[in-house]
Amino acid sequence: GENVEQHPSTLSVQEGDSAVIKCTYSDSASNYFPWYKQELGKRPQLIIDIRSNVGEKKDQRIAVTLNKTAKHFSLHITETQPEDSAVYFCAAGSDKIIFGKGTRLHILP
Amino acid sequence: EAQVTQNPRYLITVTGKKLTVTCSQNMNHEYMSWYRQDPGLGLRQIYYSMNVEVTDKGDVPEGYKVSRKEKRNFPLILESPSPNQTSLYFCASSLTVEMNTEAFFGQGTRLTVV
Repeated sequence: GENVEQHPSTLSVQEGDSAVIKCTYSDSASNYFPWYKQELGKRPQLIIDIRSNVGEKKDQRIAVTLNKTAKHFSLHITETQPEDSAVYFCAAGSDKIIFGKGTRLHILP
Repeated sequence: EAQVTQNPRYLITVTGKKLTVTCSQNMNHEYMSWYRQDPGLGLRQIYYSMNVEVTDKGDVPEGYKVSRKEKRNFPLILESPSPNQTSLYFCASSLTVEMNTEAFFGQGTRLTVV
C-alpha cells in the first residue's frame, strides 16, 4: 500500500543552525504535501504545505522543497529557535493523506 | 471560533465495555477523519468520511466503527475495546478532499483500556 517514510526520527541541532527533515512517498498520484508541528501535549498543527505544481515554497524561516520525479520532499528550518523544538510530521496523498512517523527535533542551547 | 472538539479528553475503561468518542466541527467541513497516535508509529488513519453518509476505512480500522449522520459530527465507536486500543486519538476535519486543504485537529483523547 501507499507509504510515507520520514527521516531522521530524532534530530538535535544547535540553536541558530538549520534543520532538515526528509520524506519520501510511494504513491505517484500524491499531489498534496503538508507538514505539521506537534508540541508536547498539543494537537498537530499545519506549518506549511505544498502542492505538486510547485517545487518550493517558503514562509519566513520555514521552506519546503518537492521533487516529484524522485518522490521526495523536505522541510528546512533556518535560524532555529528554542520554540522550534517539537515533533514534525510530513504527509502526502491526494484523497487520502498518509503521515510519516514523525521527527523529534531538539534545539540545543 | 473555528474548531474541532473531541470528548472526552481522557478515558480509562475496561476491556469489552463499549465506548464512543465524539467529534464535532463548526467549520462546515466535508472531510473528517480519525487517527491514532502511538510512540514510534506516528499518526495512523482509522476511518475517514468524505461527506455525510460516506465513510471508508483507513489503515487501521479493525475494532472501530464510525458514523456520519450529520456534517458536523463524526463519532468513533469501540464496540468491544481491548488493551491494544490504548492510544492517543485525534479527530481532524478539512474543507474538502478535492481541495486538499489544511486538516484541523481536535485536542485529542487519551484512551486507556485495562
